Amino acid sequence: EAGVAQSPRYKIIEKRQSVAFWCNPISGHATLYWYQQILGQGPKLLIQFQNNGVVDDSQLPKDRFSAERLKGVDSTLKIQPAKLEDSAVYLCASSLFSGVNTGELFFGEGSRLTVL
Amino acid sequence: GQQVMQIPQYQHVQEGEDFTTYCNSSTTLSNIQWYKQRPGGHPVFLIQLVKSGEVKKQKRLTFQFGEAKKNSSLHITATQTTDVGTYFCAAYSGSARQLTFGSGTQLTVLP
Repeated sequence: EAGVAQSPRYKIIEKRQSVAFWCNPISGHATLYWYQQILGQGPKLLIQFQNNGVVDDSQLPKDRFSAERLKGVDSTLKIQPAKLEDSAVYLCASSLFSGVNTGELFFGEGSRLTVL
Repeated sequence: GQQVMQIPQYQHVQEGEDFTTYCNSSTTLSNIQWYKQRPGGHPVFLIQLVKSGEVKKQKRLTFQFGEAKKNSSLHITATQTTDVGTYFCAAYSGSARQLTFGSGTQLTVLP
């Protein structure tokens, strides 16, 4: 079974530039998550989709971050303009269910962003 | 928002020694999950605990969920170098719709 696919794996940009990350979840998984993981910290949820609807985006900095999941399958996360503090690994995850009965989250390899 | 506190932040052990990490919450948790992240890797699911006082074992790993469902622990018996990584707990509270991760415990196993 194919896992969660993410690209690019690495991206280096200068502050105020824009960047986009792509994620393709495991086939059949209704729920898709974007997490931000700063070095030495636990993953922090940015946005959660159930099919193509947003379940939770309370921690997404909406002045610079946007995400979409068209057709309820793959998703893109965009940052514009980037700040130095956005340097992190952006992890995409998917799960079969959502809510407290979610069960296992399957993570992709992540996209490491460095903002100079 | 809900916070899940995890201790210790770092742990260095000699190979063969035991290791324990603890996860605590001020609110009652619906369930708790544990993940392992190898250096340079992504989090990988280990287990989910749901019931009060639940204990589950996976070979040398023992997971416990507190009676009040506010704390959990992961214990590794006789650590091996393959156990190196960061261990995260993650939990939903009754009111939260999101899975909140702890800050993790980074385990180093010295040969």
